Amino acid sequence: AQSVTQPDIHITVSEGASLELRCNYSYGATPYLFWYVQSPGQGLQLLLKYFSGDTLVQGIKGFEAEFKRSQSSFNLRKPSVHWSDAAEYFCAVVSNNAGNMLTFGGGTRLMVKP
Amino acid sequence: DGGITQSPKYLFRKEGQNVTLSCEQNLNHDAMYWYRQDPGQGLRLIYYSQIVNDFQKGDIAEGYSVSREKKESFPLTVTSAQKNPTAFYLCASSTGTGVSPLHFGNGTRLTVT
Repeated sequence: AQSVTQPDIHITVSEGASLELRCNYSYGATPYLFWYVQSPGQGLQLLLKYFSGDTLVQGIKGFEAEFKRSQSSFNLRKPSVHWSDAAEYFCAVVSNNAGNMLTFGGGTRLMVKP
Repeated sequence: DGGITQSPKYLFRKEGQNVTLSCEQNLNHDAMYWYRQDPGQGLRLIYYSQIVNDFQKGDIAEGYSVSREKKESFPLTVTSAQKNPTAFYLCASSTGTGVSPLHFGNGTRLTVT
């Protein structure tokens, strides 16, 4: 069965600092990978996705993520964090033989210090 | 603008009562999903439907029921059999073709006392 691990439950960074949120997945098929962001009390918004091709993908709000098959990772990065980036971030994966059934990680809550 | 509407945003019920959460989409998506969100546990799939009049159980379907009589609507009923119903419930939809991103509603927070 596929699974997704986000090792960091909480992360605090200073405004303007760089950010990296970790995501590791495990299953045997070709992965389709997603990052979503959730503001408090809201639904989830898609930041970016990786299906194939270039392993570095660009998303909205200045985020990017890199797929590393050898490490089973899909870490999310941003070079300079803004206070409005404070939210919860979810990594999700679906294998190509599981229809569109996403498996979500437990989430990482990002706090931004002024 | 197209989107997914969940109502109400907050819902309070007494233990032992059934309650129905509404989810409507105007994205013309074939597939719809219900997720439950608890702190620190990510999202867990309750039910999903890939076509009208058909739906499948997800990972945590016990104590829940759904219907899909119209393409636009996928209501979720939380029954009295659900042992821990207090949670944040999210509805989502997708085109249903291959692997496609989910579009989410803004959720309903259900509190049962």
